[in-house]
Amino acid sequence: DAMVIQNPRYQVTQFGKPVTLSCSQTLNHNVMYWYQQKSSQAPKLLFHYYDKDFNNEADTPDNFQSRRPNTSFCFLDIRSPGLGDAAMYLCATSSRTIEETQYFGPGTRLLVL
Amino acid sequence: AQSVTQLGSHVSVSEGALVLLRCNYSSSVPPYLFWYVQYPNQGLQLLLKYTTGATLVKGINGFEAEFKKSETSFHLTKPSAHMSDAAEYFCAVSEGSNFGNEKLTFGTGTRLTIIP
Repeated sequence: DAMVIQNPRYQVTQFGKPVTLSCSQTLNHNVMYWYQQKSSQAPKLLFHYYDKDFNNEADTPDNFQSRRPNTSFCFLDIRSPGLGDAAMYLCATSSRTIEETQYFGPGTRLLVL
Repeated sequence: AQSVTQLGSHVSVSEGALVLLRCNYSSSVPPYLFWYVQYPNQGLQLLLKYTTGATLVKGINGFEAEFKKSETSFHLTKPSAHMSDAAEYFCAVSEGSNFGNEKLTFGTGTRLTIIP
């Protein structure tokens, strides 16, 4: 009964080769978030969607893009991964109006060679 | 603006001893406060949260936290540590959607080690 699902759990890519991480949810939440978490650091918000409205954090590099084709799915695209983009990427969802809680997926660990 | 300070990046306690993880926050509006736990190579799991009402909140796995407005604190406690409690713990604050800012601001985390 997984609620926030992330695939794959581990992703290896090459320097400069585009990569897409996926997130899906069964909670029907209207808000979806993407975080980047580097080793021994707190999660850092990259962007979030409120329904179809995209909200980018001011310091999120242009190299990171996102798509949300429907309520259930959200994708993180890294157009040209660098070595510094190796991290855990966490997806989270919240209902905003019903409950002020974010629910996290298990994360995708990205390795850039 | 909101921020979170977690005192002690590493805490070690003996199995069966009291666990106390400290969290202080700053917020310009009444805050929503959260504790999340993260096991190695996993996502964040909600332990407990405070939004409104009773200031002592109970969570999963025997943890609880008390919101103290006068001290701007939300410390996490557990009376008796178990080996399975070894993990990274994050305190987080949100201003809530009522103020148009439901984004979480996380502390830097506390790694809890349990000594057998």
